[in-house]
Amino acid sequence: NAGVTQTPKFRILKIGQSMTLQCTQDMNHNYMYWYRQDPGMGLKLIYYSVGAGITDKGEVPNGYNVSRSTTEDFPLRLELAAPSQTSVYFCASSRPYSGGRFTDTQYFGPGTRLTVL
Amino acid sequence: AQKITQTQPGMFVQEKEAVTLDCTYDTSDPSYGLFWYKQPSSGEMIFLIYQGSYDQQNATEGRYSLNFQKARKSANLVISASQLGDSAMYFCAMRGTQGGSEKLVFGKGTKLTVNP
Repeated sequence: NAGVTQTPKFRILKIGQSMTLQCTQDMNHNYMYWYRQDPGMGLKLIYYSVGAGITDKGEVPNGYNVSRSTTEDFPLRLELAAPSQTSVYFCASSRPYSGGRFTDTQYFGPGTRLTVL
Repeated sequence: AQKITQTQPGMFVQEKEAVTLDCTYDTSDPSYGLFWYKQPSSGEMIFLIYQGSYDQQNATEGRYSLNFQKARKSANLVISASQLGDSAMYFCAMRGTQGGSEKLVFGKGTKLTVNP
């Protein structure tokens, strides 16, 4: 298994540009998440999905959009990029229940380092 | 609302010694999970250990153990026999199990430096 993969690894955007961060998992996890990590800080949840076709906002959703058309893929869209969106973006996936037990270990992708100038 | 507090911005430990990283939490959920993640300088997030709020015993995974004190709302990570490769940021996180609780809340992290 590749686990959680993210593309690209690095990206520089100009203010006002848009882009899509890709995330794919091959563990058949139903839950997927997008986080951002600002320098010296912990992770903050942007959006999450509990299954294909179902998404919901996290703590910091403004300026982002997501979609979940398949179990495997959970792309994050940035519209009209702003310098405040300069951050490292992590995608994660989990299966909250395993063997009748609540575990919900989240497995993270390697991250995308985004700079908006 | 759920909250995680890590009060140690940085910790130093000698190689082969044990170290405890502190984590306190606040939640109104009767059932919840606590996690520790390691983030080395390369940037990836690595799952270390999980503790369920109703688990009878403290979780252990190799050299990692979680000192769970429910009444004090603390979930400290203990690393035994520290190695140079343990130098990294360590994040404590929590997730509830009630409706709308799919969110994992992270603390700000503790930077651990292992000295030779």
